[in-house]
Amino acid sequence: DAGVIQSPRHEVTEMGQEVTLRCKPISGHNSLFWYRQTMMRGLELLIYFNNNVPIDDSGMPEDRFSAKMPNASFSTLKIQPSEPRDSAVYFCASRRVDEQFFGPGTRLTVL
Amino acid sequence: KQEVTQIPAALSVPEGENLVLNCSFTDSAIYNLQWFRQDPGKGLTSLLLIQSSQREQTSGRLNASLDKSSGRSTLYIAASQPGDSATYLCAVTSGGYQKVTFGTGTKLQVIP
Repeated sequence: DAGVIQSPRHEVTEMGQEVTLRCKPISGHNSLFWYRQTMMRGLELLIYFNNNVPIDDSGMPEDRFSAKMPNASFSTLKIQPSEPRDSAVYFCASRRVDEQFFGPGTRLTVL
Repeated sequence: KQEVTQIPAALSVPEGENLVLNCSFTDSAIYNLQWFRQDPGKGLTSLLLIQSSQREQTSGRLNASLDKSSGRSTLYIAASQPGDSATYLCAVTSGGYQKVTFGTGTKLQVIP
């Protein structure tokens, strides 16, 4: 199994641009999580899906952030428009029953 | 709202020492607790998962215990090695939606 796959691994963009992060969960996993990690705030849960349905998006910072999971094998996290304070590492994780498995993360830098 | 705390934030020990990392949570109605390791610039690697009905789990030199009533878990690392240097995070799954809450982590340095 390839594990959780995220793309791109690094993204540098300018303020105001749209950013789309992608995640492919482990096959057979029915829960998918998006996290953001910064030095100041640590690891924060943004949103998670069960069976492709968003269950809790209370961690999404504001309307500029949106996430979708059109099918069991793909999810996106979109930021529009991006701001410098969005700079962070964004992790995707998937879970079948209890144990979460993390992807390598996308390091986002907004200039 | 579940809150997870890890103390200390950083720890430095000489190689070979046995050590204990602590994780505290405020809501004892949990489904499970998971310990992760994160190397600099890398993702999180799962170390151990303890179900709410379990008291401990072991993997090699690692032993994790869970005391739900007191809202605590410990990760015991035996005979520490420089390769154990990393940040260790605990994560608690709780609530009706099985939400995951992470602690802030303990940064461990094992000195050769």
